[in-house]
Amino acid sequence: SQTIHQWPATLVQPVGSPLSLECTVEGTSNPNLYWYRQAAGRGLQLLFYSVGIGQISSEVPQNLSASRPQDRQFILSSKKLLLSDSGFYLCAWWGWREGPDEQFFGPGTRLTVL
Amino acid sequence: KQEVTQIPAALSVPEGENLVLNCSFTDSAIYNLQWFRQDPGKGLTSLLLIQSSQREQTSGRLNASLDKSSGRSTLYIAASQPGDSATYLCAVRFSGGYQKVTFGTGTKLQVIP
Repeated sequence: SQTIHQWPATLVQPVGSPLSLECTVEGTSNPNLYWYRQAAGRGLQLLFYSVGIGQISSEVPQNLSASRPQDRQFILSSKKLLLSDSGFYLCAWWGWREGPDEQFFGPGTRLTVL
Repeated sequence: KQEVTQIPAALSVPEGENLVLNCSFTDSAIYNLQWFRQDPGKGLTSLLLIQSSQREQTSGRLNASLDKSSGRSTLYIAASQPGDSATYLCAVRFSGGYQKVTFGTGTKLQVIP
C-alpha cells in the first residue's frame, strides 16, 4: 500500500533562519505531489505541486520554494523564514484507491517561527 | 473565481443524531469532489471520493451526494458518535485546473456524549 512520510513532525525556528521540510512517498511511482499550508483558523492553501522530477508549479508568490530531486521526494525550503511562515505544512499525493485522482495526505509538520 | 464554501463553520450535536454537512462550489464543471476528515494537529484522512459522473458514494455510516447543476455536495453521517468529532473538509477538482484541488474552510463537528 501507499504511504506518505513527512519530517520533522514539529519545528521551532527563529525568524531569518533557513527551512527544509521533506516528504517522501512509498508504494507508487511518478506521483503528482503537493505542498499545502494550513494557517490557524484558515483553510488549506496550495503552495506548490509537481507532476515529475524537476517540475515545480508555484501557486502563491512567497518566501518559500520547492524541489523534487527524486521521483518520490518533495522538499519545501526557505532561505530566510518570516513570522508569517508559521503554520501546519501538509504534503499530499494524487493516486488511486477506490477511484482515480484521489488525494492522500501525510501527517504534517507543525512549524512555529519565533 | 472557483471557490468552495462550507456552512456552517461549526456544528454541535448530541450523540446518535443523524446530521448533514454542506459543501457548495461556484463552477459546475468539476472532475471530482472529495470529503476529508481532519483530527486536531493531524493530517487529512480521505473519507469519500465522488467522480463527476456519480451522484453519491457510501462508506459505512457515511454517504456523500453530488449535485453538479446546483453546485452542491452533502455529507450525511448516520447515528453520530463522539469519535466522529473532527473537522470535515470538502475539496473540489475543477475541470479547468485538473492538477489542482480547491478546499473549503471546513466544518468543525462536535458530537456530545
